[in-house]
Amino acid sequence: AQSVTQLDSQVPVFEEAPVELRCNYSSSVSVYLFWYVQYPNQGLQLLLKYLSGSTLVKGINGFEAEFNKSQTSFHLRKPSVHISDTAEYFCAGSGSQGNLIFGKGTKLSVKP
Amino acid sequence: NAGVMQNPRHLVRRRGQEARLRCSPMKGHSHVYWYRQLPEEGLKFMVYLQKENIIDESGMPKERFSAEFPKEGPSILRIQQVVRGDSAAYFCASSLTRIKNTEAFFGQGTRLTVV
Repeated sequence: AQSVTQLDSQVPVFEEAPVELRCNYSSSVSVYLFWYVQYPNQGLQLLLKYLSGSTLVKGINGFEAEFNKSQTSFHLRKPSVHISDTAEYFCAGSGSQGNLIFGKGTKLSVKP
Repeated sequence: NAGVMQNPRHLVRRRGQEARLRCSPMKGHSHVYWYRQLPEEGLKFMVYLQKENIIDESGMPKERFSAEFPKEGPSILRIQQVVRGDSAAYFCASSLTRIKNTEAFFGQGTRLTVV
């Protein structure tokens, strides 16, 4: 079955600390991978995407992600978080029918 | 270039009424996707449409739910005889081509509350 798994439902972290949000995908998911961010009562905004090429992908707001084929992972990282990064983050992969398959989301809570 | 536009942003319906959710894709995009978001469950795929055609409706409930994307005008997600369990945020996304090597852009969502 096609699936995307986000291992942590909530991640609390202090401001200026590094953070990693984990994402694993099933091998049946196409390796076009995305991270989206959702602020309260808003839609989803694309942070970054992996389509091909370099396995290290840089996105907006200082985020980056690394595609690891052997571990079927696409973890999201930021070396120093800000209060404004508090949001819910969704990992997604492209399904065989051309739609997006989402993980359940990780709520990042940045504390001062 | 306006983004994906969804309206209304908030919709309240009584049990048994019909709900119509509209989605205007980004200019030039002919692929539209509808997702439903329930608390703590992430986004669940419902239906994928390309102008006048339903490509994949594997995520749509078999009854009461329908979707269309006419040649002219927005895509419509229609829920007949709504029940409390239909309360959720419904998001529409559009893309230039099938989401294989391109990204999808999302609207702000319609939050449906059934009372």
